[in-house]
Amino acid sequence: KAGVTQTPRYLIKTRGQQVTLSCSPISGHRSVSWYQQTPGQGLQFLFEYFSETQRNKGNFPGRFSGRQFSNSRSEMNVSTLELGDSALYLCASSLGALFDGYTFGSGTRLTVV
Amino acid sequence: SQQGEEDPQALSIQEGENATMNCSYKTSINNLQWYRQNSGRGLVHLILIRSNEREKHSGRLRVTLDTSKKSSSLLITASRAADTASYFCAMKTSYDKVIFGPGTSLSVIP
Repeated sequence: KAGVTQTPRYLIKTRGQQVTLSCSPISGHRSVSWYQQTPGQGLQFLFEYFSETQRNKGNFPGRFSGRQFSNSRSEMNVSTLELGDSALYLCASSLGALFDGYTFGSGTRLTVV
Repeated sequence: SQQGEEDPQALSIQEGENATMNCSYKTSINNLQWYRQNSGRGLVHLILIRSNEREKHSGRLRVTLDTSKKSSSLLITASRAADTASYFCAMKTSYDKVIFGPGTSLSVIP
């Protein structure tokens, strides 16, 4: 079966712009979580969605938002980009809301210039 | 902080040797998981150990869990160059968030 698909793989944006990242989970998985990974901060939790509802949110400013659609696909949006938003953004899917193991996508590498 | 912490931060060994990395945490957990990440890629789930288990094996991997000390260890036996990667422990906190430790960077020298 297909894995977790994240698009795009690479993205270069200018400060002040906004960006939308997409994640398609494994078929049948209803939970999608997003993480930001940087060399200095490691893996930081952004959001968790389950059945179109945001179950949890990390400590990120309001510029970071997300949503989940009825087919479980998820998007995250970052507005008014800052240089510090440059990171690898990872999406993880799981069958349900229990933490019994994530399947990660390959990530979107965002560079803000 | 409720984050997991791992040590060592970096580990370099010769092929064929064993590699041990440790994870400590502060929250109560239902389970603890280990993941591997090859450079710049997504994480791959390796093994899950539940809070009522002390030890678990999967191939060349052995994981132990000591809930009284809030710590876990991952042992990779007979390491190979292909094991070169970063290894992360992960757990769900009492706030229902899944957090990852800072990771151990393992280099296996052929």
